[in-house]
Amino acid sequence: ETGVTQSPTHLIKTRGQQVTLRCSSQSGHNTVSWYQQALGQGPQFIFQYYREEENGRGNFPPRFSGLQFPNYSSELNVNALELDDSALYLCASSPRDSLNEQFFGPGTRLTVL
Amino acid sequence: GEDVEQSLFLSVREGDSSVINCTYTDSSSTYLYWYKQEPGAGLQLLTYIFSNMDMKQDQRLTVLLNKKDKHLSLRIADTQTGDSAIYFCAESIERGSYIPTFGRGTSLIVHP
Repeated sequence: ETGVTQSPTHLIKTRGQQVTLRCSSQSGHNTVSWYQQALGQGPQFIFQYYREEENGRGNFPPRFSGLQFPNYSSELNVNALELDDSALYLCASSPRDSLNEQFFGPGTRLTVL
Repeated sequence: GEDVEQSLFLSVREGDSSVINCTYTDSSSTYLYWYKQEPGAGLQLLTYIFSNMDMKQDQRLTVLLNKKDKHLSLRIADTQTGDSAIYFCAESIERGSYIPTFGRGTSLIVHP
């Protein structure tokens, strides 16, 4: 059984640029959630996708957007990058009948210069 | 509102028990979780407890929940150096999506 995978592992961007992060959910999991984890903090919920539609959103501006594909993989897009967007971005997948059990990927470390 | 508080650091000797504490504010929390994060890695779900339980044991891990005081603890018996990591407490409320709210994490350091 393949776990949650994320790409790329690390990324360096400059202010104002756009970035796309990718996530493949664990086999059999149809719900994907994205989190931002700043240094020294716990993860903060960005949004969740189920059946290719947004199913909940945290307190993040519209320049944070996402997609879920028919194979349940997902993308997180961030436009107009700011220095404070530097963080570890975590993807988690869960089966629809057990949403409280989230399995996390290793994350993408984004640095904005 | 939702808020989860944890102490930031805990240092224990190898072989001793570790107890990591957490308090939360939302009395309507449905599930309470403990996650482990090793350096450079994502989060690993260690265990969770439903709010109508007061204790859950899983091998070396014991979770205690005091719903009246909104206090959750994780006890690790016979702590090993491999247990050194950051431990996150989280809560979620049944709103259809069970989104967890995390604390800042407790850094557990196990020394010989």
